[in-house]
This record gives sequence, C-alpha cells and structure tokens, in this order.
Amino acid sequence: KQEVTQIPAALSVPEGENLVLNCSFTDSAIYNLQWFRQDPGKGLTSLLLIQSSQREQTSGRLNASLDKSSGRSTLYIAASQPGDSATYLCAVGYNTDKLIFGTGTRLQVFP
Amino acid sequence: DAGVIQSPRHEVTEMGQEVTLRCKPISGHNSLFWYRQTMMRGLELLIYFNNNVPIDDSGMPEDRFSAKMPNASFSTLKIQPSEPRDSAVYFCASSFDDYGYTFGSGTRLTVV
Repeated sequence: KQEVTQIPAALSVPEGENLVLNCSFTDSAIYNLQWFRQDPGKGLTSLLLIQSSQREQTSGRLNASLDKSSGRSTLYIAASQPGDSATYLCAVGYNTDKLIFGTGTRLQVFP
Repeated sequence: DAGVIQSPRHEVTEMGQEVTLRCKPISGHNSLFWYRQTMMRGLELLIYFNNNVPIDDSGMPEDRFSAKMPNASFSTLKIQPSEPRDSAVYFCASSFDDYGYTFGSGTRLTVV
C-alpha cells in the first residue's frame, strides 16, 4: 500500500529558527513530490514541486530535497517567521494522475 | 489566471437533500481531481478525470456520490441523499501532466 507519513505532526518554535519538516513514503517509484501549505479554513497553496529526476528545489527561504532510494523528502524553512505558521502537507505522485497526501505538520512560529 | 474556482464556498443543507458542488479547472489543464478533507481522515481522493473521462472513482464513498465532467471547463460532485457524515471540506484540483496540482479554495459542506 502506498502511504505517506509526516513527522512531526506538530511543531512550535520561536521566530528566527531554521526548521526541517520530514516526509516519508513507502513506494519509491514516484513521479514527483509536492509540498503544500494550508492556512486554517483555507485551501492548499503549492510551495514546491520536485520531479523524480531532481534532488531538490528552492524558493526563497524554502528548500525541499528528495531522496527516492530512502523514500524521504525534507522541507527546510530558513529563518522562520510568524507568517509561516500553517499546516504543511507533503504529497507524492505515483503517476501523472494521482497524488497521495501525508497527514501534515502543523507549524506554529511565535514572536 | 483565476485559478481553480469552486462554488459554493459554504453549503448548509438538511439530511436527505441533494447537494451539488461545482468546479472550474484552470484552462488548459487536462486532469481534474475531487478531494474530501476531514479532521479524522485528512485529505482523501474521491475521483479524478483525465481529458474529461473518469479514470479512478475508487475513493467515492458509496453510490450516493456521483461526479461528472461534461466538458474541459466544468465538473460537478453530487451527493444524493446527503447525510451528516458527509460534512467536510471538498476540494477540487486540476493539473497538466507533471506540472503539479493547483487547488481551489474548497466548499465547506455541513449536513444537519
């Protein structure tokens, strides 16, 4: 069964810290992996998309890495800010038409 | 681009009533997905279409749920009859090949 797990489930940190959110998946035959952000009561905003042939992607203070052989991805957030507070979801694509989501990491950054 | 547009944003209905959720994908996207999100189960894929054709509906909970995509710019998810356990946020998303998903803002459904 294809499963996606995210650790930790929740994280609370002071502003300015560098963070690492983890995502693991059971089936390494992936097409791509996407990180999303979801604010309370809102939809999902795409942050980064990594194709299976890539090792990492960067956007501003965010960096996502992918290690297919170990079935892992990490989302690194540099110099965290209160505005980064949200739930972060990892989603793994096993073909071009299907995405399986993890349960998310709920992040709170306090001033 | 206006993104993926869902309507209504909120829906409150009584048990037993028919509910229709609507989605307009991003122009040019060839796949459309319906997801349901609850606290207990997270995000669950209900059904997805490719080039307007339903490909996998194994996530549809039961026969009370149905989805259609009559053309490339419109899809509906219908629940008939609705039940309180159907209360959730329903998301529509669209994509083009391997270029990642774009989600709509969701429809929050409450069945009382």
